[in-house]
Amino acid sequence: DAGITQSPRHKVTETGTPVTLRCHQTENHRYMYWYRQDPGHGLRLIHYSYGVKDTDKGEVSDGYSVSRSKTEDFLLTLESATSSQTSVYFCAISEAGTTYEQYFGPGTRLTVT
Amino acid sequence: TQLLEQSPQFLSIQEGENLTVYCNSSSVFSSLQWYRQEPGEGPVLLVTVVTGGEVKKLKRLTFQFGDARKDSSLHITAAQPGDTGLYLCAGAKSALNFGKGTSLLVTP
Repeated sequence: DAGITQSPRHKVTETGTPVTLRCHQTENHRYMYWYRQDPGHGLRLIHYSYGVKDTDKGEVSDGYSVSRSKTEDFLLTLESATSSQTSVYFCAISEAGTTYEQYFGPGTRLTVT
Repeated sequence: TQLLEQSPQFLSIQEGENLTVYCNSSSVFSSLQWYRQEPGEGPVLLVTVVTGGEVKKLKRLTFQFGDARKDSSLHITAAQPGDTGLYLCAGAKSALNFGKGTSLLVTP
């Protein structure tokens, strides 16, 4: 299994509070991704990174920001959490471009009350 | 816009039965990937098909990429309870575009 960890694995937070999710990889892959998975919508790309300090928006980026200061770490921040951001968040990595095989972390279940 | 449609959405069968799930699109993809996701875990890559008409086998699982590279199918022979999970297809077209998945339940 690819060495990808996510923290925390579960979080409950209140509306309006900031939340940061962390993804850590030990594979030295260039590309990292954040997805959310919701019933009826499947996996949707939030943001991705193609190198240290290089990021781009995905399909559902509103309300989210990301940062990548080291190859191994990719952070997803909800500046002011809303109930619509209740979801399961997955980090993924790939060795090459955005169309290549991706390896997923175990997920973070976030509940915004 | 959902580029990939997967069918059926849900499938419940008994151990030993055969099944086929489908992944369809009107778009052409450079490759197509299949993932399996078990409850509480992230998706795990099963296979990538690249060439139109390509068939790949992974034990009891057979994957086929359509000749026009717009669709794919996954056939499972003699399903086992361990095959239970969410099967996702993902088409490569500037980014990976995921279908919503087929949820498979195999009961003993």
